[in-house]
Amino acid sequence: EPEVTQTPSHQVTQMGQEVILRCVPISNHLYFYWYRQILGQKVEFLVSFYNNEISEKSEIFDDQFSVERPDGSNFTLKIRSTKLEDSAMYFCASRPAGPVNQPQHFGDGTRLSIL
Amino acid sequence: QKEVEQDPGPLSVPEGAIVSLNCTYSNSAFQYFMWYRQYSRKGPELLMYTYSSGNKEDGRFTAQVDKSSKYISLFIRDSQPSDSATYLCAMSADRSNYKLTFGKGTLLTVNP
Repeated sequence: EPEVTQTPSHQVTQMGQEVILRCVPISNHLYFYWYRQILGQKVEFLVSFYNNEISEKSEIFDDQFSVERPDGSNFTLKIRSTKLEDSAMYFCASRPAGPVNQPQHFGDGTRLSIL
Repeated sequence: QKEVEQDPGPLSVPEGAIVSLNCTYSNSAFQYFMWYRQYSRKGPELLMYTYSSGNKEDGRFTAQVDKSSKYISLFIRDSQPSDSATYLCAMSADRSNYKLTFGKGTLLTVNP
């Protein structure tokens, strides 16, 4: 069964450094998402991406964050100048287009640890 | 009032029990309702997906949506130790982006 793939599984970074989290969505999916889950808290929406542009972003997704689809298969989340509070699990999700809403499928996440 | 509320548990049941998991929500715009299962250090795995009110059954799992009460449920029949996981409810509104709003998750342990 097709799946969403995320790399790396664990990223350790010094505070203030830039980090890029990578995702390969399911191949025929057209909508892409990033969510994060701080330890012990809810999964929170960060950003949605469709047709090579951001379609919606949350208040968490400030100028520190950016997303890109650099080629036909990868979808990346960049965090500039990381902060301690950026430590969390980051999940990528994708869903196909269709006449009705289709459910999102998630990757296994990247655990980001900021030191 | 939080948008989606879910009792975090933990919930511990014996093998073979019927499990009932619930979420309430406040946003009447929510139209799509999902249940995800999350094992430790893994991503959410889609279990059930329903649109609007009603019931949906898939094997041992039944999802119920009551929009008038803003209440959704997931029932697991003949629960197995392999069902031990965190169960997340999630929902989205009928807008083009369909971002998900999650409950906090209920940690379920099924004891052999």
